[in-house]
Amino acid sequence: EAGVAQSPRYKIIEKRQSVAFWCNPISGHATLYWYQQILGQGPKLLIQFQNNGVVDDSQLPKDRFSAERLKGVDSTLKIQPAKLEDSAVYLCASSLDLDRGRETQYFGPGTRLLVL
Amino acid sequence: AQKITQTQPGMFVQEKEAVTLDCTYDTSDPSYGLFWYKQPSSGEMIFLIYQGSYDQQNATEGRYSLNFQKARKSANLVISASQLGDSAMYFCAMREGIAQTSYDKVIFGPGTSLSVIP
Repeated sequence: EAGVAQSPRYKIIEKRQSVAFWCNPISGHATLYWYQQILGQGPKLLIQFQNNGVVDDSQLPKDRFSAERLKGVDSTLKIQPAKLEDSAVYLCASSLDLDRGRETQYFGPGTRLLVL
Repeated sequence: AQKITQTQPGMFVQEKEAVTLDCTYDTSDPSYGLFWYKQPSSGEMIFLIYQGSYDQQNATEGRYSLNFQKARKSANLVISASQLGDSAMYFCAMREGIAQTSYDKVIFGPGTSLSVIP
């Protein structure tokens, strides 16, 4: 079974530029998560999709971040314009969600973003 | 308020010794799950072990076991016979159902850095 795919793996941009990340979850997984992980910290949930609907985006900085999940499969996360504090690893995860409270999340390799 | 607390920012353990990584959590949901993930320097998050709130026995997976004390709201990870490859960040996470919704919320702790000394 193929894992969660993410691209690009690394990205360096200057502040005020825009950037987009892509995620393809494990086939059949209903829920897709985007996390931001700043160096030395635990992952922070940015947005959670269930199929193609948003169920939680309470921590997404909506003035600059946007995300979509077309057709309930792959997803893109965009930052426009980027700030220095957006430098982090952006992790995508997915889960099957047939058994509430028990589902394991599977993570992609992450995208390391550096904003100069 | 912190939902997941990991009080040990860094730990050292001698190779072949056992080590316990602490995790305490806070929830009012009677049904929840607790997870431990390992994150090596390469960055990927690797699932290690799961404990359900209604599980009667403590979870075990190879060299990993979970010391689950429900009344104390703690879910400590025990790694037996530490290996050099165990050096990594370890994250405790909790999955809880959000009342009157159809989705669960997953929250991660701040992590513990484990270094295995030869």
